[in-house]
Amino acid sequence: AQSVSQHNHHVILSEAASLELGCNYSYGGTVNLFWYVQYPGQHLQLLLKYFSGDPLVKGIKGFEAEFIKSKFSFNLRKPSVQWSDTAEYFCAAFSNSGYALNFGKGTSLLVTP
Amino acid sequence: DTAVSQTPKYLVTQMGNDKSIKCEQNLGHDTMYWYKQDSKKFLKIMFSYNNKELIINETVPNRFSPKSPDKAHLNLHINSLELGDSAVYFCASSQDRGQGATEAFFGQGTRLTVV
Repeated sequence: AQSVSQHNHHVILSEAASLELGCNYSYGGTVNLFWYVQYPGQHLQLLLKYFSGDPLVKGIKGFEAEFIKSKFSFNLRKPSVQWSDTAEYFCAAFSNSGYALNFGKGTSLLVTP
Repeated sequence: DTAVSQTPKYLVTQMGNDKSIKCEQNLGHDTMYWYKQDSKKFLKIMFSYNNKELIINETVPNRFSPKSPDKAHLNLHINSLELGDSAVYFCASSQDRGQGATEAFFGQGTRLTVV
């Protein structure tokens, strides 16, 4: 079955620490991958996306992700987190049909001052 | 100018009632979705419509009935509400580009509380 898994469910970091959130997918063929962020009480916003091309993708707010096909991974990174990065982070992939965006279970990030 | 808008934002109702949530997108997308986010923040797809046709209907109780009067609208009607239906419901849309969809844009969510 096509699925997306996120390794870290809760992450606590101090400001200025580096962040890496793991994401793996179990899809064959072409895969469209995304990272979304959900700030407290808000809706989902797109951080970055990968369809094809350069496997290192840069998104908004200093986030980037690397697509590693051999590892079926799409990990999210940020060199230096800020308190305002406190949020839920979701990795997602469209199903091969393109009609279902499947999400991982999310990672709750808390950045402490 | 909101891209995907849902109404209402909050909905508190008693068990057994029937309620509807409306969703509209002005992005010209051809695919729309309903997602349910539970208390653990897990997002699960409920329905997917493409050009007004139902494409995906996950294992959702038949008390939930989506309706798409046109490509820009996807409403969700829920009959006989139960306590377990309490959640945040998100509407989303995307554009099919032939090799898979583009990113999905999400509405603000509707927080449904059944008491």
